Amino acid sequence: AIQMTQSPSSLSASVGDRVTITCRASLDIRDDLGWYQQKPGKAPKLLTYSTFSLQNGVPSRFSASGSGTDFTLTISSLRPEDFATYYCLQDYDYPWTFGQGTRVEIK
Amino acid sequence: QVQLQESGPGLLKPSETLSLICAVSGDSVSSGRYYWNWFRQPPGKGLEWVGHIFYSGTTNVNPSLKSRVTMSLDTSKNQYSLSLSSVTAADTAVYYCARVTISNDRNDYWGPGALVTVSS
Repeated sequence: AIQMTQSPSSLSASVGDRVTITCRASLDIRDDLGWYQQKPGKAPKLLTYSTFSLQNGVPSRFSASGSGTDFTLTISSLRPEDFATYYCLQDYDYPWTFGQGTRVEIK
Repeated sequence: QVQLQESGPGLLKPSETLSLICAVSGDSVSSGRYYWNWFRQPPGKGLEWVGHIFYSGTTNVNPSLKSRVTMSLDTSKNQYSLSLSSVTAADTAVYYCARVTISNDRNDYWGPGALVTVSS
């Protein structure tokens, strides 16, 4: 199975900060990666797909990039509602696999 | 508006079979534009892909669960189901269903999740 290594596992940031989360695949997954936001007690929410495409309704402060094995999710200016856990998911090969998650906390 | 809703037993004993249903509204499970996923998340842990089913009935299942998983579609009720046999405490998790767009594998609509606890 393709391993997705996500970093950092957690971070503390302030409202207005720029935040970057990375995901590294154990082999080339082309651009078959999505990012999800999950708040406590809620289902994950799709943020981006096919590496950089923003899902309808997701604010433009979220952006994603990368290809091959290295991918990033960036929040350009953190807002209070962005404090959550973020996961990457590769759908290049079976079994689909997630990164272990990055918890974004309030500093 | 597309909505998905999981339903299931809540509490099971070890060795029993877990049966979950995902009821879909606002879309058709027999649409050729989508397929239908299952995920799970043990309490306090990360997400795991369980498997998915296409409108044709073709399935793909996580090899870690493959021998215990069955999935099916019920087009008459517009729902799909997951069956997981011989459950243990390690299967305790919130189970989510999600719609996937065939063109770009977007998991764009999710159910709220159903907690399944396995305990004797």
